[in-house]
Amino acid sequence: SQQGEEDPQALSIQEGENATMNCSYKTSINNLQWYRQNSGRGLVHLILIRSNEREKHSGRLRVTLDTSKKSSSLLITASRAADTASYFCATDVGSGAGSYQLTFGKGTKLSVIP
Amino acid sequence: DSGVTQTPKHLITATGQRVTLRCSPRSGDLSVYWYQQSLDQGLQFLIQYYNGEERAKGNILERFSAQQFPDLHSELNLSSLELGDSALYFCASSLYGGNNEQFFGPGTRLTVL
Repeated sequence: SQQGEEDPQALSIQEGENATMNCSYKTSINNLQWYRQNSGRGLVHLILIRSNEREKHSGRLRVTLDTSKKSSSLLITASRAADTASYFCATDVGSGAGSYQLTFGKGTKLSVIP
Repeated sequence: DSGVTQTPKHLITATGQRVTLRCSPRSGDLSVYWYQQSLDQGLQFLIQYYNGEERAKGNILERFSAQQFPDLHSELNLSSLELGDSALYFCASSLYGGNNEQFFGPGTRLTVL
């Protein structure tokens, strides 16, 4: 079963606009990671936010985490055509005994129209 | 480029066959993870190795096995292949056993005919 669920499933915006994607999850996590995937290619790591953090920034990316609501959001500001990709959230629910795995949502497909 | 390498990039084989996928983690990373991405199941965790030892198992079929060698590279063996095994197989690595970024390789696209 999916731990993380992204919303919306698909998003289409104009270049220069901001894009916001949301992720909800079910169980307690160690961290939450966002990835980008271009059309069947490899996953590119974007950002990791730990359970004791509330907000993180990386360039045009802003990620928030609300552990009380079990949700996270990814904001991409001033979007570019090159941002067109699928975006996944992944939750790390490791047991702490050196055992870790990422559980992925189904992703949000972002299309940025030039 | 994440620093994780996977070979081969593409693999086409027939049902019933056996294949081996290879992964080299980023320099210094001790943990290796295998994931499968298919249209119907999405991205699913298969197995994790840390410094040569199996640490976690996910939705990995009994026909699949993996190992991590002393030089930390890993191999995923898929046997008695079925049409439904066609998927993208990703390897990822992280510095330690967890609560760290996992960096993914470019994947191996397996097609079973």
